[in-house]
Amino acid sequence: ETGVTQTPRHLVMGMTNKKSLKCEQHLGHNAMYWYKQSAKKPLELMFVYNFKEQTENNSVPSRFSPECPNSSHLFLHLHTLQPEDSALYLCASSQDWFTGANVLTFGAGSRLTVL
Amino acid sequence: QQQVKQSPQSLIVQKGGISIINCAYENTAFDYFPWYQQFPGKGPALLIAIRPDVSEKKEGRFTISFNKSAKQFSLHIMDSQPGDSATYFCAASGSATNKLIFGTGTLLAVQP
Repeated sequence: ETGVTQTPRHLVMGMTNKKSLKCEQHLGHNAMYWYKQSAKKPLELMFVYNFKEQTENNSVPSRFSPECPNSSHLFLHLHTLQPEDSALYLCASSQDWFTGANVLTFGAGSRLTVL
Repeated sequence: QQQVKQSPQSLIVQKGGISIINCAYENTAFDYFPWYQQFPGKGPALLIAIRPDVSEKKEGRFTISFNKSAKQFSLHIMDSQPGDSATYFCAASGSATNKLIFGTGTLLAVQP
């Protein structure tokens, strides 16, 4: 397993459910990210946390709520999602957010299906 | 201006052949161009990266060619192997924006 662990790997939820995705990194990195991966689309940056502080929110709908309790853990809380939110959600980490040459280490992703 | 356009969407190459994936960008402020490799069921992983001060970077069978004037860069995989079958993403970022802008990905299949 890589240094970034995501759970669950697969999740099926109804539009009225509330669920959470979890990410944990064991690399000592200070920045953590949520990306959305959909077929035939670029990886979409959703949120960035640097030293536990949110530094980026790319106009993500409020039905996605991130939480970063410490530099090693990142959550994505999901509620009242839409079928078009079905995708692979990738967590990543990097040493920090400030350099333009960030090397991202990705987890294997959580495959979300919204019915 | 923030887009990175990647082609082809999919590519089939015979074992031992050369795989070529192309990317183009508009934002001249970009100064870091990585390629990520993603195997099925895995997250993307950094494969190789280049800065615009050089026109080519080689690591083993993988080479990035960079054309600053054309605002294009490409990944060449020499002697392609079935184990290279994966999705490849180009990306770009700049010191003015820390965001990595990804291309749409290329699904490479290397046939034995």
